[in-house]
Amino acid sequence: DIVMTQSPDSLAVSLGERATINCKSSQSVLSSSNNKNCLAWYHQKPGQPPKLLIYWASTRESGVPDRFSGSGSGTDFTLTISSLQAEDVAVYYCQQYYSTPLTFGGGTKVEIK
Amino acid sequence: QLRLQESGSGLVKPSQTLSLTCAVSGGSISSGGYSWSWIRQPPGKGLEWIGYIYHSGSSYYNPSLESRVTMSVDRSKNQFSLELSSVTAADTALYYCARTRRELFDCWGQGTLVTVSS
Repeated sequence: DIVMTQSPDSLAVSLGERATINCKSSQSVLSSSNNKNCLAWYHQKPGQPPKLLIYWASTRESGVPDRFSGSGSGTDFTLTISSLQAEDVAVYYCQQYYSTPLTFGGGTKVEIK
Repeated sequence: QLRLQESGSGLVKPSQTLSLTCAVSGGSISSGGYSWSWIRQPPGKGLEWIGYIYHSGSSYYNPSLESRVTMSVDRSKNQFSLELSSVTAADTALYYCARTRRELFDCWGQGTLVTVSS
């Protein structure tokens, strides 16, 4: 199984400031078939199911604000919220879809400072 | 707009079988290009993918649960189901169903809490 490790476990950021979340996979998730990284990001607001934000490491899902961006390749990835809004308070998860079983990181809780 | 709704037994005794159904509305479970997943989340913890099934009935399960998991699909009712046998307290979780697009989960149900307790 590919193990996904996120850091930090939690972070508090002031409104309008940048939030950065890291995700590391135990092996490369770069697909040789299309040269894309099989890495997705979700956020889960309190009392709600997770919502897909980004896939292929950097492609925003339709309707996701452009303050959310993803980067990285191979085994190291980053989700950046460029200007934190109150509605971004959530737990953020990365997920690899390079191989089954599909696996998630442990989550990063983002709060307002 | 696609909607998924989980239903089923909220309280299951240890060693018994957990049974859940996910009703799909606003779209067809037979739509090409999608599979249908179950994912669970123990209270206060992270996400674990249980497995997925295609409308054809072919399925793939997480090896960690494979010996206890059965998924099925009912195209006539536009729903799919999960059975997890020989449950223990470790199976207590919020169970989600989700549409799966290229192994991404792009539409989720609200989840249903299953508690394993005698």
